[in-house]
Amino acid sequence: NAGVMQNPRHLVRRRGQEARLRCSPMKGHSHVYWYRQLPEEGLKFMVYLQKENIIDESGMPKERFSAEFPKEGPSILRIQQVVRGDSAAYFCASSPFSGNQPQHFGDGTRLSIL
Amino acid sequence: RKEVEQDPGPFNVPEGATVAFNCTYSNSASQSFFWYRQDCRKEPKLLMSVYSSGNEDGRFTAQLNRASQYISLLIRDSKLSDSATYLCVVNMKSGGGADGLTFGKGTHLIIQP
Repeated sequence: NAGVMQNPRHLVRRRGQEARLRCSPMKGHSHVYWYRQLPEEGLKFMVYLQKENIIDESGMPKERFSAEFPKEGPSILRIQQVVRGDSAAYFCASSPFSGNQPQHFGDGTRLSIL
Repeated sequence: RKEVEQDPGPFNVPEGATVAFNCTYSNSASQSFFWYRQDCRKEPKLLMSVYSSGNEDGRFTAQLNRASQYISLLIRDSKLSDSATYLCVVNMKSGGGADGLTFGKGTHLIIQP
């Protein structure tokens, strides 16, 4: 049973470009969560999605960041017009249900902005 | 007050020793609690859930004290492979059904041979 799959593992972008991060949840999981870990910091919740719905985006920056989880295909975290401060590790997690369930994490995408 | 607070360490512990970490959380309405482990900035891996009655998994024991709002993790007979950062994680379940987990910054454990 494949775990949470994220790609790419490493992504390099220049300032002003767009970054697209992909996440396929574990088989049977319909709840997806995105987290960001800045250097020397803990993980911070960004957004929680179910298929075709954003349930909670309270942790998303107001501008340049968006997320989707379409009916078919992986969840996408999109960062437009990237800046140096966007450099971080972005982790995706999934769970089979909402509520008091542990979440299982992917390997993460390390985003570096030149 | 930080939402989830941990002593960052590092804790330097000889192999075979017992080590304990605590973690405090700010939201008394928090619903669920976990310990995760993170190695060298890799992905967090679930170590164990924490239940009100306390629970044990091999050499690891977790306790929850809701009245004092703290969680503990005890590692017995520590192994070199236990060296990692241990993350205290809380589902604060604020209104609206948010299920994002709140992470502490982690406690760094180094097991020395």
